[in-house]
Amino acid sequence: KQEVTQIPAALSVPEGENLVLNCSFTDSAIYNLQWFRQDPGKGLTSLLLIQSSQREQTSGRLNASLDKSSGRSTLYIAASQPGDSATYLCAVLSNFGNEKLTFGTGTRLTIIP
Amino acid sequence: ETGVTQTPRHLVMGMTNKKSLKCEQHLGHNAMYWYKQSAKKPLELMFVYNFKEQTENNSVPSRFSPECPNSSHLFLHLHTLQPEDSALYLCASSQDARDGEAGTGELFFGEGSRLTVL
Repeated sequence: KQEVTQIPAALSVPEGENLVLNCSFTDSAIYNLQWFRQDPGKGLTSLLLIQSSQREQTSGRLNASLDKSSGRSTLYIAASQPGDSATYLCAVLSNFGNEKLTFGTGTRLTIIP
Repeated sequence: ETGVTQTPRHLVMGMTNKKSLKCEQHLGHNAMYWYKQSAKKPLELMFVYNFKEQTENNSVPSRFSPECPNSSHLFLHLHTLQPEDSALYLCASSQDARDGEAGTGELFFGEGSRLTVL
């Protein structure tokens, strides 16, 4: 059974700093990994999708990496801004053909102005 | 603007009521999902429809009843719910690869329906 862990559960950093969010998963047989952001009381917004054959994806100030062999992914946020404050979730799609997405519990990020 | 629309955004119901949540996706996807999000717990997958066929039912109580009349619409019918069913219910869609069709499996979510059961 796939398990996804995100540590820490909460993180506060001053505005302008670069930061890294971590995601680990137990079963390396994945189809893809997706990072989402969720604002309070809202739905999830897809940030980046990394297919299992890829090592990283970039979108603006965001860069996500994937290391399947070690069961880890990181989300790097450059030059953080107060608007980046949100909960960030990673999700792993396992068992291609019987697709099942497993979510972590998220990291609540606060950017201090 | 999201390609997945959920209504209502907020719903308060008593334990004896019957109500329905609605989801519509405008992305041309072939798979739709219902997730439940409770405080301090990971998102829980409830139901999956691929190509309008239900392919997943994660031991969800029968007081939750899904309906997928076509590939763009998904409903969650609610009856005789319990207070512990209060949560944010999220709908999502994706384009899944099947029978040679291209698909990334990337998931797109709606804004959710906040349900409170009194």
